[in-house]
Amino acid sequence: NAGVTQTPKFRVLKTGQSMTLLCAQDMNHEYMYWYRQDPGMGLRLIHYSVGEGTTAKGEVPDGYNVSRLKKQNFLLGLESAAPSQTSVYFCAIGRRLMNTEAFFGQGTRLTVV
Amino acid sequence: RKEVEQDPGPFNVPEGATVAFNCTYSNSASQSFFWYRQDCRKEPKLLMSVYSSGNEDGRFTAQLNRASQYISLLIRDSKLSDSATYLCAVNNGFSGGYNKLIFGAGTRLAVHP
Repeated sequence: NAGVTQTPKFRVLKTGQSMTLLCAQDMNHEYMYWYRQDPGMGLRLIHYSVGEGTTAKGEVPDGYNVSRLKKQNFLLGLESAAPSQTSVYFCAIGRRLMNTEAFFGQGTRLTVV
Repeated sequence: RKEVEQDPGPFNVPEGATVAFNCTYSNSASQSFFWYRQDCRKEPKLLMSVYSSGNEDGRFTAQLNRASQYISLLIRDSKLSDSATYLCAVNNGFSGGYNKLIFGAGTRLAVHP
């Protein structure tokens, strides 16, 4: 998916460690989202941003922080990783227009041991 | 009750079969609807949008039933390559200040020879 790039693709963390996931887009979309996907749970929204310099909480924000200093980048931080944060993380982008779809990055598979 | 619900499956069908999935949503004010396809260990990719008048793209037909609050996806002449998880997504418009897209947990389809 050329429009949305996530780094890293895989990571193993020890409990208590911190890390930052980067999402970069080249489609100039206003909205950016971070989801996590767990078996049987579907995609759950962690945090989102409606524009540069703005962020807001989604349905499962606890344990995560985000920043969007530049329009094209959306960072997801884990300050003190926990095993419950083992998941696949997807970044998505969308336009401000109503009734529009989202486009996803290729995902980051995170394991916390 | 979840905002968007899908039968997790799996639906096991032979090649050439016709298969249909439904997705129910709880918010009667939902604005727009989408079907995504997700291959194993990959990101969700937009399959098609669902319009009020229905939408057809080759072997795929999507329909919306606002009265009963569900969307459907029909796949005709199933191919082995159709094996994937199909996610429905519902856009509730500017709920909570952003273009809110809610995903179902997905329906798994396995097409066998």
